[in-house]
Amino acid sequence: KNQVEQSPQSLIILEGKNCTLQCNYTVSPFSNLRWYKQDTGRGPVSLTIMTFSENTKSNGRYTATLDADTKQSSLHITASQLSDSASYICVLPQGGGNKLTFGTGTQLKVEL
Amino acid sequence: DTAVSQTPKYLVTQMGNDKSIKCEQNLGHDTMYWYKQDSKKFLKIMFSYNNKELIINETVPNRFSPKSPDKAHLNLHINSLELGDSAVYFCASSQDRGPYEQFFGPGTRLTVL
Repeated sequence: KNQVEQSPQSLIILEGKNCTLQCNYTVSPFSNLRWYKQDTGRGPVSLTIMTFSENTKSNGRYTATLDADTKQSSLHITASQLSDSASYICVLPQGGGNKLTFGTGTQLKVEL
Repeated sequence: DTAVSQTPKYLVTQMGNDKSIKCEQNLGHDTMYWYKQDSKKFLKIMFSYNNKELIINETVPNRFSPKSPDKAHLNLHINSLELGDSAVYFCASSQDRGPYEQFFGPGTRLTVL
């Protein structure tokens, strides 16, 4: 069964600190892995898309890593800001197509 | 310069009513989607259209009927609304080739009383 599980479910950190979010997946065959950010009351916005050949990809203070052997990905956020408070969702397409399987999400809150 | 837009943003209605949500994208994409996000924030695909043709139809009650008048629009009509239909509905669009990156609209929060 294609599944995407994320941890932790929620996280609170102080502004300026770093954090790492985890994603484990069983979706097969693998095509690409995406991280989305969803602010409260808004639609998800893509942060990174990684293919099988990429094991790390950055977008500003966001760095995603991929280990296709262990079927794990992480999203590292550096020097967190209040605006990073959001839900972060790990997403994989099924069978390389456009039908996406969404993870359970990690709710991040950055505090002063 | 809105990419994917939805109307209305909020919809409050009584059980048994029929309502529609509209979606438009100006990205020139060929494929559009409807997702439902429940109270636990889990996103689930409902439908997908490619060039006005239905290509994904998940296990959704037939009270939900998508309609695509052209490839830039995908509307969602819901008949006989039930309490369990309360959720946030997102429209999205993508190109017709990999990696099929999807761009989401702002969502429509539907509340059925």
